[in-house]
Amino acid sequence: GQQVMQIPQYQHVQEGEDFTTYCNSSTTLSNIQWYKQRPGGHPVFLIQLVKSGEVKKQKRLTFQFGEAKKNSSLHITATQTTDVGTYFCAGAFDSSYKLIFGSGTRLLVRP
Amino acid sequence: GAVVSQHPSRVICKSGTSVKIECRSLDFQATTMFWYRQFPKQSLMLMATSNEGSKATYEQGVEKDKFLINHASLTLSTLTVTSAHPEDSSFYICSASSWVWGTRGSDTQYFGPGTRLTVL
Repeated sequence: GQQVMQIPQYQHVQEGEDFTTYCNSSTTLSNIQWYKQRPGGHPVFLIQLVKSGEVKKQKRLTFQFGEAKKNSSLHITATQTTDVGTYFCAGAFDSSYKLIFGSGTRLLVRP
Repeated sequence: GAVVSQHPSRVICKSGTSVKIECRSLDFQATTMFWYRQFPKQSLMLMATSNEGSKATYEQGVEKDKFLINHASLTLSTLTVTSAHPEDSSFYICSASSWVWGTRGSDTQYFGPGTRLTVL
């Protein structure tokens, strides 16, 4: 079945260090979406990538969609304690209306 | 962005009772609502998809008679956990989308704040 793999599972960084999480699908995605879930909270939509090779930035966050539309990454520059949470990618496929969520990457930031 | 509310936010019930969870889209018409379950430190698992005015589509392994879904209007969907047992304890999250059946791909989903269910 359709799966979206996400690594790493955890990342513990010192405040000010960079952070990257990666998602990969075995089949081509129609789009990929990224969500952030704070501890005890619910997923909050961050961004959607649709085009091959697309790169979007939101302040210190950079989102990329691979040329083959099978992988994506989220990079945070100079992490802050407010970045703490679990980041999920969610892949959408042309053949389905569903979003398939990655397992998430839990980011912890040491002040 | 679009706002989705969920009620109640937290519920504790005895084993064997039924619990109803409401999901509302406050500022847009949600043609499709999704119900997810999330166990601690795990990802979101889709349980079912509901469309206004039609029967819900359940994912494999989800008992439709146990998790009753009603999507009565374009702004309200309900999930009823019938005869709840301790293993049903989880975080239930709904999301709403303006996605329409028959169109390709998916649309942005806006998530409710979740309902934490504890069955004693």
